[in-house]
Amino acid sequence: EDQVTQSPEALRLQEGESSSLNCSYTVSGLRGLFWYRQDPGKGPEFLFTLYSAGEEKEKERLKATLTKKESFLHITAPKPEDSATYLCAVLDRGSTLGRLYFGRGTQLTVWP
Amino acid sequence: DTEVTQTPKHLVMGMTNKKSLKCEQHMGHRAMYWYKQKAKKPPELMFVYSYEKLSINESVPSRFSPECPNSSLLNLHLHALQPEDSALYLCASRQRVGGTDYGYTFGSGTRLTVV
Repeated sequence: EDQVTQSPEALRLQEGESSSLNCSYTVSGLRGLFWYRQDPGKGPEFLFTLYSAGEEKEKERLKATLTKKESFLHITAPKPEDSATYLCAVLDRGSTLGRLYFGRGTQLTVWP
Repeated sequence: DTEVTQTPKHLVMGMTNKKSLKCEQHMGHRAMYWYKQKAKKPPELMFVYSYEKLSINESVPSRFSPECPNSSLLNLHLHALQPEDSALYLCASRQRVGGTDYGYTFGSGTRLTVV
């Protein structure tokens, strides 16, 4: 059973067209939820950590929010350079050694 | 230095070869990880080292052998691999301060092709 589910699997946006990516999770207790950006053939690049429901973080055109069951990554007025796969991962409070559970990612394509 | 450095970036090896992947970080993180990522799939955990001791081994085949010589270095020794082992191998380190996890820093990965 997947503990982290991301939707949609793929998203195509025109430049400037805002949208949101979803990450829903089922863990016994959340220690942290992480968003990463990954370009093809590269390692994941850290974007945000969220710890508790109601928390929000922003970076340039990206804003991440967290509820008790899901997180959203809002992309405002995206540009072609925002095209990448966005991964969500959670750290369970019961994990003492820091095992991350990843979602399958959302592949975002922004066209001019 | 806020990076995790992996070498080599690309590796092609035959099924009878022995090779090693290297990972280095100088951020003082005491937990380091090896992940394997196949195309269009999320990273899968292979090994966890905590304070230079192997703490998690996810039933990875013995043809993969991890080593942690010190708190800054992590190696993955490869021997008699199969073509299905071709993947992106990612190293990560974890920053944890006072019980709070601040994030995991990933290296850029080694693209491994087994022929």
